[in-house]
This record gives sequence, C-alpha cells and structure tokens, in this order.
Amino acid sequence: DIQMTQSPASLSASLGETVTIECRVSEDIYNGLVWYQQKPGKSPQLLIYNVNSLHIGVPSRFSGSGSGTQYSLKINSLQSEDVASYFCQQYYDYPLTFGSGTKLEI
Amino acid sequence: VQLVESGGGLVQPGKSLKLSCSASGFTFRNYGMHWIRQAPGKGLDWVAYISPSSGTVYADAVKGRFTISRDNAKNTLFLQLNSLKSEDTAIYYCARRDSVSPYNWFPYWGQGTLVTVSS
Repeated sequence: DIQMTQSPASLSASLGETVTIECRVSEDIYNGLVWYQQKPGKSPQLLIYNVNSLHIGVPSRFSGSGSGTQYSLKINSLQSEDVASYFCQQYYDYPLTFGSGTKLEI
Repeated sequence: VQLVESGGGLVQPGKSLKLSCSASGFTFRNYGMHWIRQAPGKGLDWVAYISPSSGTVYADAVKGRFTISRDNAKNTLFLQLNSLKSEDTAIYYCARRDSVSPYNWFPYWGQGTLVTVSS
C-alpha cells in the first residue's frame, strides 16, 4: 500500500498569515494527489486536484504544489473560515490512501 | 449531485448491518461509487469501490466481511457489513468521482451515516 505521511498534525496560526501543510508519499504517485478540507461535523470538501488545480469555488489563497513523493498545500492570508482539518489523498493506485490530517486553528 | 446515506446505528460486535446511499442528480449507472469511512476524531479510510458494471475492490481491513453492491434501477449503493468489530466504528460516507476526470478523487460526498459497534 502507498503510505501517506502528513505534517504537521496540528497547526496554530494568526489571521493573515501563510501556512504550509506537507504530504510525503512512500512511492512516486506521478502527481496523483488531491487535498480536502473538512470542517467539524461536515463531510470532506475537495480543495485541489491533480496537485495544483483549484476545485470550483475554492478561493485563490489556496494552492498546491509538488511532484514525485513530496507535495504541499499552501494557504495564504489565513481567514477565520479556514479553521478545519486538511487531508491529502493519493489516487494513483488502490487502495486509495489518505494522510492522517492536519488540524488548523486560528 | 446528491448522495444520502442511511442505515447506520448501534450494533453488537459480530453482528451485521446494511448501509444504503441514495443517489440523485446524475446517471447513477454510468459511475463507479466508493465507500469511505472515518472513525470518530480520526482520519479518512477508503473502504470499497464498485464499478458501473459491478466489479469490486476492497480494502484489506474489510475484505471478506464487507460487500459493496448497487441497484441501478433504484439509484442506490449498498454496503453490507458483516462480522462487525469495534474498530469498524466510524462515519461511513459514499462518494463519487468527478464527471470529467476518470480518476478516483471525490468532489461529491454524502453527509455520512454513523455506525457504532459496541456491546
């Protein structure tokens, strides 16, 4: 199975700051990675697909990058509504696997 | 696209439960569907996939105990959970891939149904 190591597990930042969440993968997934945002009590919502493509309606302060086995999610100009957990997911191969999540607090 | 799960509840270890996911807003028979679960306060775990032609793939943790199926006439996805263990306690989501991309990432999720396995 492809292992996803996501860091940090939790993150506290201030409004307006920039934060980065990392996802390290156990083998090359050829850019087969997406990011989700999950707010408390809600279903996950797609943020970014194909490493760096913003899903419809996602603010441009979110961006993704990476290749091979290292990927990251960057959030610029943090807003209060960004309080959530963030998960990476690889779709290169079955079983589909997710990172363990990053809980972002403002 | 709307996905609505049901069937969750409290069940004893070793017992069975059947979850449903009612789909609307798209041509259900044309899409593969997934079940993904999330233990309370934990991360996301992919559970199973069923193709439009009912081919299936399972996570090792549930293989031989869970069965994914679909009824295209009723636009409904199912997950039969047998021999339940405490570690199966989770919110179970059904999910569908994007309309254009053939890849398994999920812009569409249901609201989830909670399964609690406890004596």
